[in-house]
Amino acid sequence: SQQGEEDPQALSIQEGENATMNCSYKTSINNLQWYRQNSGRGLVHLILIRSNEREKHSGRLRVTLDTSKKSSSLLITASRAADTASYFCATDGGTGTASKLTFGTGTRLQVTL
Amino acid sequence: NAGVTQTPKFQVLKTGQSMTLQCAQDMNHEYMSWYRQDPGMGLRLIHYSVGAGITDQGEVPNGYNVSRSTTEDFPLRLLSAAPSQTSVYFCASSYRPASQRSPLHFGNGTRLTVT
Repeated sequence: SQQGEEDPQALSIQEGENATMNCSYKTSINNLQWYRQNSGRGLVHLILIRSNEREKHSGRLRVTLDTSKKSSSLLITASRAADTASYFCATDGGTGTASKLTFGTGTRLQVTL
Repeated sequence: NAGVTQTPKFQVLKTGQSMTLQCAQDMNHEYMSWYRQDPGMGLRLIHYSVGAGITDQGEVPNGYNVSRSTTEDFPLRLLSAAPSQTSVYFCASSYRPASQRSPLHFGNGTRLTVT
C-alpha cells in the first residue's frame, strides 16, 4: 500500500501564483523527500526534510513537516510554466525499513500563462 | 556523468515471453532499486539492492527477478510476461539507503507493453 498520499490530485494555476501540495503518510519516518516528474521523464529530487525539522527552503520551494499529524506540504512560490509537472512525496518508513523509499500517488500541477 | 541509464526505452512483449530490463549507473552508488509506475498508483517498489550480491523484495516483487553482480548494474528480469506487467519501469540509485538522507537518482524509464 502507498505510504504517502498527495492532495490535491491535480492543481491548475496561473503563472505567478503560488502552488501548495500536501502529503500525508502513515508510519514514522527518518526523513521525507519531494520529487518532480516531467512528462515522459524520470523523477528528479527537489528537497529533503528530516524528521526533526519543521520547515526547509530551497529557492522558490518551501517544505513544512508536521510529524504529529504525519503530514507535509510543498509550496512553490511565483510559479512558472516550467513548473508544470507531477510532484511526489516519498518517505523512508522509519527504523527497520531504512532501505525502502515509498512514494505517494502524486499531484499533477498545470501552470498556465 | 551519464547518471542512471535504462535500456530499452520502449518494449512490446507477447504474453509468456521473457526479457531483461537493463539498468546501469556510473556514480558508484551502493543502493539501487526498481519501481513500476501505473496511472493513479504512483510508484511501487519491485526489488532493491543495498550493495553487490545483496537484493531484497519490495512491495510488488511477484513475476520479477533481480541480481546484483556488480555495483554498476542492476537488471530486472520478467520471467513470463503478463498483461498486468504493462507499465513504466524506473530504475533508481542512491549513495546510501533512504534513511541516511540520500536522494534517489532516476533513469528515464522503460515503457513496457504486454499484449
